[in-house]
Amino acid sequence: DTAVSQTPKYLVTQMGNDKSIKCEQNLGHDTMYWYKQDSKKFLKIMFSYNNKELIINETVPNRFSPKSPDKAHLNLHINSLELGDSAVYFCASSQGAGGTNEQFFGPGTRLTVL
Amino acid sequence: GQSLEQPSEVTAVEGAIVQINCTYQTSGFYGLSWYQQHDGGAPTFLSYNALDGLEETGRFSSFLSRSDSYGYLLLQELQMKDSASYFCAVLNQAGTALIFGKGTTLSVSS
Repeated sequence: DTAVSQTPKYLVTQMGNDKSIKCEQNLGHDTMYWYKQDSKKFLKIMFSYNNKELIINETVPNRFSPKSPDKAHLNLHINSLELGDSAVYFCASSQGAGGTNEQFFGPGTRLTVL
Repeated sequence: GQSLEQPSEVTAVEGAIVQINCTYQTSGFYGLSWYQQHDGGAPTFLSYNALDGLEETGRFSSFLSRSDSYGYLLLQELQMKDSASYFCAVLNQAGTALIFGKGTTLSVSS
């Protein structure tokens, strides 16, 4: 009965590689997000996706691209990985973006770029 | 843009009461939320205040003063399991995503 799931939980890879992280939610929510949490625990929004509308944080490099095959999935593809991409990536979902601001987070994917 | 300030660390003993403050600057305001995150875990929603005043949920309460752009999370009867990071958050100007503070690490000792 997992609400928001992500795979893989850990990802270790070399610089320059391309990788994907998958996210699925079974809550019936219409909005999904990707956040990056750095080593100082700073949580920063990367993307939000609602009803096929993608909102991109302008500070996110275009090496990062979200892909949503359907309302329950929002995958994150990263090209040409760099050392600075090492972080924990969280997927989240909510019913709309407003309201109580309650978002449900996945368990996170710890990405390590060597 | 949106910015939030909260203390980086707070320490307390079991059974005590602790208050974690959060001040914010926003263009447009939709309410203040609080999230808890244990080490190695995911952020989980604790509370949301859209209007001024105190909201109580068990041992945790959250307060908002919109005129002061200020809120706090109050944790009572502290337990060891309350040791975690606590984040205040507001929606961005477009209302499309949360902007988080840098988090307050709470350490509860016996």
